[in-house]
Amino acid sequence: GENVEQHPSTLSVQEGDSAVIKCTYSDSASNYFPWYKQELGKRPQLIIDIRSNVGEKKDQRIAVTLNKTAKHFSLHITETQPEDSAVYFCAAPSKKGYNKLIFGAGTRLAVHP
Amino acid sequence: EAGVTQFPSHSVIEKGQTVTLRCDPISGHDNLYWYRRVMGKEIKFLLHFVKESKQDESGMPNNRFLAERTGGTYSTLKVQPAELEDSGVYFCASSQDLLGELFFGEGSRLTVL
Repeated sequence: GENVEQHPSTLSVQEGDSAVIKCTYSDSASNYFPWYKQELGKRPQLIIDIRSNVGEKKDQRIAVTLNKTAKHFSLHITETQPEDSAVYFCAAPSKKGYNKLIFGAGTRLAVHP
Repeated sequence: EAGVTQFPSHSVIEKGQTVTLRCDPISGHDNLYWYRRVMGKEIKFLLHFVKESKQDESGMPNNRFLAERTGGTYSTLKVQPAELEDSGVYFCASSQDLLGELFFGEGSRLTVL
């Protein structure tokens, strides 16, 4: 079946370090790649997204890069803080129907003070 | 403005019983999605409503699952009879645009014993 591969499944960093999470998708026609953050006990929320007409997008300490040739996209968090600790999910449109998103398995990020 | 609300937040039932989960989307959002996350795995697509119509139900596991969205407002997801493998967190999400930001509820955690 179709899926979005997400790595790593867990990531532990020291406060102030950078964190990078990578996702790979299969459909070269995919054109929308969002990232969601789910804090403990809360709902997933969109933190950043990118469309295929650009290669990089930044919003303060977070950035997403897209490599269409290699069909992967990555989330970069710089100067990590304890409040960045959460589960992060990437997603891409389903190649079976572009009206739904297929999510990765999630990355549990722990930022240690 | 109220976000997406789901009820119940947690349900514990025995195998063979019936459970009905409810989702109230953000007012005015025509698109309503049901997703499920089993521990440690991806947020898996179940189905998509546009208003009251089922646009895509390709992710529904089997005929024990029935989703409705009468009148195009709130939606229900019924599992009957429940099996052990149905345990997980069921998320509802709504959006104004196709492939736009998904607004998630906090999820309904289902435990089947």
